[in-house]
Amino acid sequence: SQQGEEDPQALSIQEGENATMNCSYKTSINNLQWYRQNSGRGLVHLILIRSNEREKHSGRLRVTLDTSKKSSSLLITASRAADTASYFCATELKTSYDKVIFGPGTSLSVIP
Amino acid sequence: SAVISQKPSRDICQRGTSLTIQCQVDSQVTMMFWYRQQPGQSLTLIATANQGSEATYESGFVIDKFPISRPNLTFSTLTVSNMSPEDSSIYLCSVRGRTEAFFGQGTRLTVV
Repeated sequence: SQQGEEDPQALSIQEGENATMNCSYKTSINNLQWYRQNSGRGLVHLILIRSNEREKHSGRLRVTLDTSKKSSSLLITASRAADTASYFCATELKTSYDKVIFGPGTSLSVIP
Repeated sequence: SAVISQKPSRDICQRGTSLTIQCQVDSQVTMMFWYRQQPGQSLTLIATANQGSEATYESGFVIDKFPISRPNLTFSTLTVSNMSPEDSSIYLCSVRGRTEAFFGQGTRLTVV
């Protein structure tokens, strides 16, 4: 089962531009996490934001969480070609500790 | 953190046969999770494996097709039974850390 939606499904930008990806979910959560997956490779954990947090930063990443709208966004600033990957949001459900449900993902292409 | 060893890393199997995937964690964990990632798709949770009890399956997944064993707190197996080409996917086991989920390197299964 999947928790929600991500948009856009695919995003193509020029190097140096900012990339914004959005994630919506359906049920109450303990936290929301973002992961990156390069083509054919494993998942890399980027950032976790708890349900009582509204914004979090990590390097060039900025994540927001709006629990009233059940949505989150991931902003990558000053994108690089190496940021080309699929990005997934994943939610830990309030009713089921530890279980993490992934969204469908956004495929990001950063053109040099 | 947790280190997860998963094997086999890949296999090509004949339709109608079964494959058992092993997952070993370097620390004791209460719950282990099995995911499937179909080509070009996100991760879909198959089931949660608790030591000492039957696995809990997500909607769309049944025990007869994906039997799971969890004999102790560091090990689990997932069997993909009576395989068809539609079962061609990457199968991943996962455990939950404090701030992120940890994943095995995955088993790339091709059914011919």
